[in-house]
Amino acid sequence: NAGVTQTPKFRVLKTGQSMTLLCAQDMNHEYMYWYRQDPGMGLRLIHYSVGEGTTAKGEVPDGYNVSRLKKQNFLLGLESAAPSQTSVYFCASRPLVSYNEQFFGPGTRLTVL
Amino acid sequence: AQSVTQLDSQVPVFEEAPVELRCNYSSSVSVYLFWYVQYPNQGLQLLLKYLSGSTLVKGINGFEAEFNKSQTSFHLRKPSVHISDTAEYFCAVRGTSYGKLTFGQGTILTVHP
Repeated sequence: NAGVTQTPKFRVLKTGQSMTLLCAQDMNHEYMYWYRQDPGMGLRLIHYSVGEGTTAKGEVPDGYNVSRLKKQNFLLGLESAAPSQTSVYFCASRPLVSYNEQFFGPGTRLTVL
Repeated sequence: AQSVTQLDSQVPVFEEAPVELRCNYSSSVSVYLFWYVQYPNQGLQLLLKYLSGSTLVKGINGFEAEFNKSQTSFHLRKPSVHISDTAEYFCAVRGTSYGKLTFGQGTILTVHP
């Protein structure tokens, strides 16, 4: 099993450009999450999904959109990137059983100039 | 609503010394508590978790944590650290809403020879 994978690993964007980050998991997990990590702020939840076709806002959703058309994939989109979105983005997944921990991907480092 | 406070942003220690990383949380509901470790340029890896039962939880790599409900704390300890323990450590709390995690700000543990 590959676990949780994220593409790309690194990306540099100019202000106003758009991009999509892809998260894939092969563990048949129901829940998936997108976080951003900024120095001194820990990880903050952007959006999450409790199943195929459903998404919900997290703590810091502004400027991002998500889609979960397939159970194994969770996409994070930036329609018009801003320097404030420079961050490391982590995807995580978790099975339905409530006491299980989240499993994290390796992260995507995004720089917006 | 939940919150997590990690009381130390950086903890420098010498190799083979004991270490304690402090974590306090607030929550109005029963919680699950987690410690994750992030090695440089990697994703998050679960160290240990508290779900219920014994308040002393043992994790990987010789780490342990003690859940103290009256003090709303979940401090992480290791009796003798190694150079390889150098990493950032995150405390997280999960309530009952779709398994969302609330993270602390992180503590950077640096082990010196």
